[in-house]
Amino acid sequence: AQSVTQLGSHVSVSEGALVLLRCNYSSSVPPYLFWYVQYPNQGLQLLLKYTSAATLVKGINGFEAEFKKSETSFHLTKPSAHMSDAAEYFCAVSAFSGSARQLTFGSGTQLTVLP
Amino acid sequence: NAGVTQTPKFQVLKTGQSMTLQCAQDMNHNSMYWYRQDPGMGLRLIYYSASEGTTDKGEVPNGYNVSRLNKREFSLRLESAAPSQTSVYFCASSEADGRYNEQFFGPGTRLTVL
Repeated sequence: AQSVTQLGSHVSVSEGALVLLRCNYSSSVPPYLFWYVQYPNQGLQLLLKYTSAATLVKGINGFEAEFKKSETSFHLTKPSAHMSDAAEYFCAVSAFSGSARQLTFGSGTQLTVLP
Repeated sequence: NAGVTQTPKFQVLKTGQSMTLQCAQDMNHNSMYWYRQDPGMGLRLIYYSASEGTTDKGEVPNGYNVSRLNKREFSLRLESAAPSQTSVYFCASSEADGRYNEQFFGPGTRLTVL
């Protein structure tokens, strides 16, 4: 069964600093991986997705993630944090289960950006 | 193009009451999903519908029922609400044949059961 683990339920960075949110996956087949962002009191919005076309994936709002098969990781980064990046971030893996593909989510990482 | 819409946005119930959460999507997607979100637990799948006319249980189906009314609409019913069902509920949709199953989410319903 596929699963994802997000290391660190809370991450704080200063404005302008590097953002690094960690995600490790477990999958018996080549995975399809996603990062979603959730702003306060809103639904989830797709940041980026890995679909095996390229190991470095660029998403919206300056975020990117690198797929590393040897480390089973898909960490999310942004070179310079902005106050508007404060949100909860979820890593997810897509797997076929039952009659449809399903997403399995990590437990989330709350990002705080300090002025 | 509204995407995925959910009603109501907020609801307070007493233990034992029933209610239906409504979800609709205008993206012509075949698959629809209901999740609950609890602090520190990410999103957990309650039920899903791979296509119109079919529904399947997810990870946490107990205490819930669903109806895929048509291709656009997928409702979630709590027959006898319990405090453990206090949560934020999200509906999502995706292309059934999409290899990657990119899902699009609604804004959520915040439910409190007293």
